[in-house]
Amino acid sequence: ETGVTQTPRHLVMGMTNKKSLKCEQHLGHNAMYWYKQSAKKPLELMFVYNFKEQTENNSVPSRFSPECPNSSHLFLHLHTLQPEDSALYLCASSPLGPGYNEQFFGPGTRLTVL
Amino acid sequence: AQTVTQSQPEMSVQEAETVTLSCTYDTSESDYYLFWYKQPPSRQMILVIRQEAYKQQNATENRFSVNFQKAAKSFSLKISDSQLGDAAMYFCAYRASNDYKLSFGAGTTVTVRA
Repeated sequence: ETGVTQTPRHLVMGMTNKKSLKCEQHLGHNAMYWYKQSAKKPLELMFVYNFKEQTENNSVPSRFSPECPNSSHLFLHLHTLQPEDSALYLCASSPLGPGYNEQFFGPGTRLTVL
Repeated sequence: AQTVTQSQPEMSVQEAETVTLSCTYDTSESDYYLFWYKQPPSRQMILVIRQEAYKQQNATENRFSVNFQKAAKSFSLKISDSQLGDAAMYFCAYRASNDYKLSFGAGTTVTVRA
């Protein structure tokens, strides 16, 4: 247990559905991240939030919509997804400032788009 | 953008033996951090070991140690006395000291034979 939780752990949705992924961290970190993990590929950074402000959007399609209401919570809203969006979605958090600032990861949400 | 390369998609090791995972990276920065993360099957990704570029001494954490070759931009992980619980996917990651984003390799799956 790393102090970062994600819900749901598994999600199956159709291409016309709307769903949301939730991430919560209890570590007092100020940065939160969404990653996409596909088989045999490096983790793809999707979004970064620092102090609730989005600071990175790595050309992610608009069918993925992040929301960060406070430094402890991060959401990823999904709508009209494609089958190729099926993957493990990981949330992470880290402190900011000097030092190692390693990221702590949640268990992920396994998403299947039918 | 920095690239991290893990050239071994899979490695197999006999229990109690030693295995070394390779990682190379490309950067023009002089100060940065390197990490090895472990992702067991269906479990959270956790940090195994970390190294700061300006520290010449190789980091060690119990049975895990690294061989950091800054000039060669190489950062290998050695797992000694392998245990069944070491079976996982291992990711090498890089972060510049003036940044908060991680760049990951594609991962190496380690199988431990009893």
